[in-house]
Amino acid sequence: KAGVTQTPRYLIKTRGQQVTLSCSPISGHRSVSWYQQTPGQGLQFLFEYFSETQRNKGNFPGRFSGRQFSNSRSEMNVSTLELGDSALYLCASSLVGVYEQYFGPGTRLTVT
Amino acid sequence: AQSVTQPDIHITVSEGASLELRCNYSYGATPYLFWYVQSPGQGLQLLLKYFSGDTLVQGIKGFEAEFKRSQSSFNLRKPSVHWSDAAEYFCAVGPKAAGNKLTFGGGTRVLVKP
Repeated sequence: KAGVTQTPRYLIKTRGQQVTLSCSPISGHRSVSWYQQTPGQGLQFLFEYFSETQRNKGNFPGRFSGRQFSNSRSEMNVSTLELGDSALYLCASSLVGVYEQYFGPGTRLTVT
Repeated sequence: AQSVTQPDIHITVSEGASLELRCNYSYGATPYLFWYVQSPGQGLQLLLKYFSGDTLVQGIKGFEAEFKRSQSSFNLRKPSVHWSDAAEYFCAVGPKAAGNKLTFGGGTRVLVKP
């Protein structure tokens, strides 16, 4: 069974731009969560989507948003990029009611 | 608010020696507990989990962890370390209510000496 896939793997953007990251969960997994990993703040939860609805949200500004499609694929969007948004963005998926999350390889975003 | 503390930022261990990584958590009730490993440039791989029941849990790659409610700890152990165990290890907690909102510790980087 294929794992969680994330595209693109690497991205370089300029301050003020916006970016969209994509995540395809493991087949059959309907919950998708997003995390931000930085050297300073570590791993932080962004949000979780289930059945196309945001189920949980972390403490991030409104510039960070996401959505989930009917096939469970998810995207996250960051608008008006700041230098501090440079990070590894990880997506994780899980089965309904099974609290084991499987992570993708991440998208490395660099903001210049 | 929940928090997870991994007191050791770096640990260096000789190949073949035992390894113990510490994890303490602060939570209103016993949460779900996890250990993940991250190799350079990779995502996180689930090593093991504790939901309930037996407080000693076995995971992949020869790892085990022990949940101690009285100490709010969930320490990870491996009896004999291999060079391939060099990586960063993260302890995480999640709420028993619906949802997958994990809170992670700061991580412990393990270096393995030959």
